[in-house]
Order: sequence, then structure tokens, then C-alpha cells
Amino acid sequence: DAKTTQPPSMDCAEGRAANLPCNHSTISGNEYVYWYRQIHSQGPQYIIHGLKNNETNEMASLIITEDRKSSTLILPHATLRDTAVYYCIVRGFNAGNNRKLIWGLGTSLAVNP
Amino acid sequence: NAGVTQTPKFQVLKTGQSMTLQCAQDMNHNSMYWYRQDPGMGLRLIYYSASEGTTDKGEVPNGYNVSRLNKREFSLRLESAAPSQTSVYFCASSERGHGDTQYFGPGTRLTVL
Repeated sequence: DAKTTQPPSMDCAEGRAANLPCNHSTISGNEYVYWYRQIHSQGPQYIIHGLKNNETNEMASLIITEDRKSSTLILPHATLRDTAVYYCIVRGFNAGNNRKLIWGLGTSLAVNP
Repeated sequence: NAGVTQTPKFQVLKTGQSMTLQCAQDMNHNSMYWYRQDPGMGLRLIYYSASEGTTDKGEVPNGYNVSRLNKREFSLRLESAAPSQTSVYFCASSERGHGDTQYFGPGTRLTVL
């Protein structure tokens, strides 16, 4: 599985867009980029995933560069409730049962009032 | 839908005691997972079950056993608890395998004295 690199922490003002970067320079052609977040003491929560094209859902947008070596998760109007650790994970989608997600330490996002 | 539920939420054990952590999901998912999360480390996979009747070791299986009781339930047993097993344990499920979106329970906070 491709390794990901994320900044350990970021700050964002409430109401502004939060842009969380992720580098995955060794990603292979069939690997998706997944984003999860973990609000303090809770279980991780799925946010969004994508392969090549940019994706948007009710929670966030995912921008993947053309060479797929990096991506950015965008929270368009961050609120205090978005304060969490955000994990970027790259994982093959149709692999066999001996594959597994590799969870790094993620980015700790603090949304400030 | 309750999603993924875990019991208990908190537990304190003495070294050498045994216990079983329970997990159930009501999303009719095929795959279920047990992770542990320690300070300063990412989530680490203990065991997983790709489908009912099958289980496989993850990254850190030593000291644990699992049972996939039926499609809904996946339990994790500590036969002889050790202080190194003090951690937060998360159960997750997905419709298919590791590459699919995983849904997490609220976690069990275990302390072994």
C-alpha cells in the first residue's frame, strides 16, 4: 500500500475553508484515496474517497492532482465541530483479504472561534 | 440503524484476568475488524473477518483471539490480560473487504493494571 504524508497539525478560523494536504507519491494506478476523521475519543468517521476525479459530498471536497501524487481535503466552511484528527489513507479497492488499511498519525485540525 | 455497537465502553482489568469485547453491526456488512489505538500511534489492525466463518490475523494479533459468531457479531477475547494491552479498542465493519468504506463503533477503553 502507498504511504501517505500529512502535516501533524493545522489551524483554521471558524467559517473559513480548511484545506488539508496529503502526499502519496507512491500511489499506484488502482489505489483510491480515502479520508477519515476522528473526533476526540470517538471512532473514526468516513468522509470521502476518490480515484482520479475530484469528488464532493455533503461533508467535504476532495481534490486529487493530475499525477495523483497528492490530494487536498477541503472543508468549505469549518465549524468548531470539525476539530478532529484527519487521516488520509491510500488503499487498493479490489484487493484480496490479506490487504489492510495503513493508518498514520493524521493531521490534527483545530478550528478556532 | 444503530450502526456498529461495542460493549463495554470502559473496563479495568487486573493482569492475568480475561475478558471479551463485544461488537455488533446492523448494516448487513460482510467484513468486520478489530483495531487498537495507542497514544502517538495510528490505528493498528488486530484481527479481521472477511466474511462469516472466516477470521485472519492483522498486524498485532498476539494475546488476542476472535470469534465471528454470525454475520452481525464479532468478538475479541483477551485470555490473560497484560498491561501492554491497555488501549482503546475499535470495532469496524464494511460491506466488502479492506478497500471498502469502514464504519466504526464508539470504542472500548481498556485499562490493565
